[in-house]
Amino acid sequence: ETGVTQSPTHLIKTRGQQVTLRCSSQSGHNTVSWYQQALGQGPQFIFQYYREEENGRGNFPPRFSGLQFPNYSSELNVNALELDDSALYLCASSPDRIRGYTFGSGTRLTVV
Amino acid sequence: DAKTTQPNSMESNEEEPVHLPCNHSTISGTDYIHWYRQLPSQGPEYVIHGLTSNVNNRMASLAIAEDRKSSTLILHRATLRDAAVYYCILRDDNAGKSTFGDGTTLTVKP
Repeated sequence: ETGVTQSPTHLIKTRGQQVTLRCSSQSGHNTVSWYQQALGQGPQFIFQYYREEENGRGNFPPRFSGLQFPNYSSELNVNALELDDSALYLCASSPDRIRGYTFGSGTRLTVV
Repeated sequence: DAKTTQPNSMESNEEEPVHLPCNHSTISGTDYIHWYRQLPSQGPEYVIHGLTSNVNNRMASLAIAEDRKSSTLILHRATLRDAAVYYCILRDDNAGKSTFGDGTTLTVKP
């Protein structure tokens, strides 16, 4: 197992810009979820993809979008960045929709 | 959304058992109960999960109430490396949602 790898580890963007965060999951992990974690709080669910289709979404606006690819990689795209988007973004993958997630170490996004 | 409630913090002595409670009174029939823990500057680490029956693995045990409205994560012998924030979450197989609460910060004293 190679684990879950996220890139970049840190990123600084300006308000109004767009950002793409990347995640490489373990082979065979058909489910990937993205979370936003503000400092001192628990992770907040953004959305989940199963076999390349979104099958669950949290309370995040449409400017948060994602993609999952056949090679078990995925992306989180955020348009029109706001200062409140500054957070740790976590990617988590699972072999299916039931078993435990393997989390990456996250991307720390700072919006200035 | 189904929600979990955990105490903000708990303390334990090293080598003693720890029981971390979680309430999930609005759990639905398709929700699996998962536990994760998180160290500073790291992503959460999977600990254990279950649906209705109690579960054991090399890290911990999970005791699930008969009505499934609460559960308890049991660390049989706490070590200093078990100090972390522990999250109890519900994973909905149908809706594809997983809701984290604020977690319990576990402090282990030598």
